[in-house]
Amino acid sequence: KQEVTQIPAALSVPEGENLVLNCSFTDSAIYNLQWFRQDPGKGLTSLLLIQSSQREQTSGRLNASLDKSSGRSTLYIAASQPGDSATYLCAVRKGQGAQKLVFGQGTRLTINP
Amino acid sequence: NAGVTQTPKFQVLKTGQSMTLQCAQDMNHNSMYWYRQDPGMGLRLIYYSASEGTTDKGEVPNGYNVSRLNKREFSLRLESAAPSQTSVYFCASTLKDNSPLHFGNGTRLTVT
Repeated sequence: KQEVTQIPAALSVPEGENLVLNCSFTDSAIYNLQWFRQDPGKGLTSLLLIQSSQREQTSGRLNASLDKSSGRSTLYIAASQPGDSATYLCAVRKGQGAQKLVFGQGTRLTINP
Repeated sequence: NAGVTQTPKFQVLKTGQSMTLQCAQDMNHNSMYWYRQDPGMGLRLIYYSASEGTTDKGEVPNGYNVSRLNKREFSLRLESAAPSQTSVYFCASTLKDNSPLHFGNGTRLTVT
């Protein structure tokens, strides 16, 4: 059974720092991996989607990497801003079909001005 | 561009009452999903519809029913609400499995 872990559960850093969020998964045979952000009281917003054949994806100040052999993905946020404060979740798709999508519990990120 | 729209945003029910949560997407997506999100439990799949005309059970389907009314709309019905169904419910959609998943803003349901 695929398990997805995000450690730490919460992280607080000063504004301007570069930071890395971690996502670990137990089964390296994945279809793709997606990073989301969730603001309080809102739904999840897709940030980056990495297909199984890719090593990384970039969007603005965000960069997500994927290392299937070690069962890890990282989300790198450059020059963090208070507006980046949110909960970040990763989701691993094991294969085709809705049942194959497994979410982590998320990392709650706070950027202090 | 509305994306995924859920109604209502908030609802309070008494035990035993019924209600339907509505979801509509305007992105011409094939697949639609219903999740519930609870503290410490993360996101759990209730039901999904891989394409118009099909629905399947997810991880926690008991106490719920769904209808894929057409390609745009996917509703979730609670026939007899229970306090254990107090949760935040999210609808999501995607074009295909290798595409991003898009979420609505959720319905916060309290059952007393």
